[in-house]
Amino acid sequence: EDQVTQSPEALRLQEGESSSLNCSYTVSGLRGLFWYRQDPGKGPEFLFTLYSAGEEKEKERLKATLTKKESFLHITAPKPEDSATYLCAVRIIQGAQKLVFGQGTRLTINP
Amino acid sequence: KAGVTQTPRYLIKTRGQQVTLSCSPISGHRSVSWYQQTPGQGLQFLFEYFSETQRNKGNFPGRFSGRQFSNSRSEMNVSTLELGDSALYLCASSLEGGREKLFFGSGTQLSVL
Repeated sequence: EDQVTQSPEALRLQEGESSSLNCSYTVSGLRGLFWYRQDPGKGPEFLFTLYSAGEEKEKERLKATLTKKESFLHITAPKPEDSATYLCAVRIIQGAQKLVFGQGTRLTINP
Repeated sequence: KAGVTQTPRYLIKTRGQQVTLSCSPISGHRSVSWYQQTPGQGLQFLFEYFSETQRNKGNFPGRFSGRQFSNSRSEMNVSTLELGDSALYLCASSLEGGREKLFFGSGTQLSVL
């Protein structure tokens, strides 16, 4: 069964304290791994797509990396506005919108 | 450019009733999918529509159905509501449903009493 597991469930950091979020997956065939950010009361907002092992993407304080079994979302010197739930998802069917999501990591950055 | 619009934003129903939720995708997007989000199960795929045809379906009972119109707008219907159907229902759109990213709406929060 296709499965996506995120850890930790929740993470509390001080402003400026760098860390990483983990997303491990067991799927029959990876057609893309996605990272989304979700704020309370809103829908997920797209951050990154990764397709092959070794690929990296960066955006401001965030950097996503991909291996054959997992992905990491590194957050460098975070600010309070980075507080949100970060969701990882995999696409397993070519050309389809069906994504399998992890449970998310709830990130809180204290000033 | 307007984002994905979902209506209504909040809905309260009682067990046994039925409900229809609406989604207007980003202009030009032809692929629309629906997801259910609950604290226990997270985000789960319901179904996807492309050019008025259901292209993929998740593991939900037949009480959950949907359709897409010629202007790409989509509706989903839940009949005979159960308490467990209480959730945030999210709609997402993309151009063709290929390698593109999904753009999500803010969702409809459904409460079943």
